[in-house]
Amino acid sequence: DGGITQSPKYLFRKEGQNVTLSCEQNLNHDAMYWYRQDPGQGLRLIYYSQIVNDFQKGDIAEGYSVSREKKESFPLTVTSAQKNPTAFYLCASSLRHTHTGELFFGEGSRLTVL
Amino acid sequence: GESVGLHLPTLSVQEGDNSIINCAYSNSASDYFIWYKQESGKGPQFIIDIRSNMDKRQGQRVTVLLNKTVKHLSLQIAATQPGDSAVYFCAESYDAGKLIFGQGTTLQVKP
Repeated sequence: DGGITQSPKYLFRKEGQNVTLSCEQNLNHDAMYWYRQDPGQGLRLIYYSQIVNDFQKGDIAEGYSVSREKKESFPLTVTSAQKNPTAFYLCASSLRHTHTGELFFGEGSRLTVL
Repeated sequence: GESVGLHLPTLSVQEGDNSIINCAYSNSASDYFIWYKQESGKGPQFIIDIRSNMDKRQGQRVTVLLNKTVKHLSLQIAATQPGDSAVYFCAESYDAGKLIFGQGTTLQVKP
């Protein structure tokens, strides 16, 4: 079945460590996104990519980095520079020029910093 | 900056009743307004959207209403079922797919 796969589902990290969250899609979508979700809040955009080898910062990019070497993959690295990294991270994809806002989301990765 | 907000954090309804979830937005330049459903521990799922030049759109058991005069968006769910229990987010779409999400309303369906 087509969809978006995020891994790991749960991740624990010590302060000062970088961690990379995986996101893979087989929907043949050009655009991919990373959102952060905190308890009781909506989703906030971290980074997005409309095409391979290109990506742009979202509203809260500080302390995060991404790469888009393949159409199917859009990994997110949470660096030690991120002050408050504990959160639920959601990856999504869409058709490149979608104006409707229909994004397809993965199941999420929950990161906890100890 | 621009933001999309929901009026109530929690809504409790009886199974079989109709549910109405409300949302206020501030960016009148957005192209589309969208509703997502998020079940516990999962990613959001697209429910329905409405273009900014429309007032109403119907789907299967759901209706979205857009009032641009007062910048208000609502989602109506007919004959609410236990499976409808989730957090519902409204969002506005601008600049080719980038979304601004509201804070979410938790819908609780009582048997």
